[in-house]
Amino acid sequence: DTGVSQDPRHKITKRGQNVTFRCDPISEHNRLYWYRQTLGQGPEFLTYFQNEAQLEKSRLLSDRFSAERPKGSFSTLEIQRTEQGDSAMYLCASSPGTIGQPQHFGDGTRLSIL
Amino acid sequence: GIQVEQSPPDLILQEGANSTLRCNFSDSVNNLQWFHQNPWGQLINLFYIPSGTKQNGRLSATTVATERYSLLYISSSQTTDSGVYFCAVSRWETSGSRLTFGEGTQLTVNP
Repeated sequence: DTGVSQDPRHKITKRGQNVTFRCDPISEHNRLYWYRQTLGQGPEFLTYFQNEAQLEKSRLLSDRFSAERPKGSFSTLEIQRTEQGDSAMYLCASSPGTIGQPQHFGDGTRLSIL
Repeated sequence: GIQVEQSPPDLILQEGANSTLRCNFSDSVNNLQWFHQNPWGQLINLFYIPSGTKQNGRLSATTVATERYSLLYISSSQTTDSGVYFCAVSRWETSGSRLTFGEGTQLTVNP
């Protein structure tokens, strides 16, 4: 059990650029979640996958955001045409997907938009 | 959706003091987790505690599910305990058990 891994840890980019983040869940965890955390707030749910299927997207996830989990293992979160308001910590979590099991979080990707 | 309220929002302690953090939630849940977010932003799992009491070293937690609250106890606090403590809850039947977080308690432990 190597834990949830996220890459990169930090990303600084100019407004209007596209960015992509990667999350590698704990192996054999079939549920994968993305959350976003802005300064001074608790994390907020963005979307989740059961294996390769994306089963729900929050209203926070605008059309500029897309997430994939092509083989049911790692996941990517892409933001197109970044805006100042996208500056946040993006957190990934995974769980076995059975009742009575906690979610385990990665260290997050901190995005700063210049 | 479920509402989660944490109190107090801020807490300042002297090293060695004890403290109690509270989490109230608005509906029945079958997952409740406590996290510590350190100054680098890492969310550290402290407890998975949908009901009952657990202890881990100087930390312990109690959840009274029927009354919809949970308490996190920190004894003999150390400066390394500083950071933000989050409570998060979910219902298995709702949205893949996505977690709803409170706004956190900012803890500062002074030497």
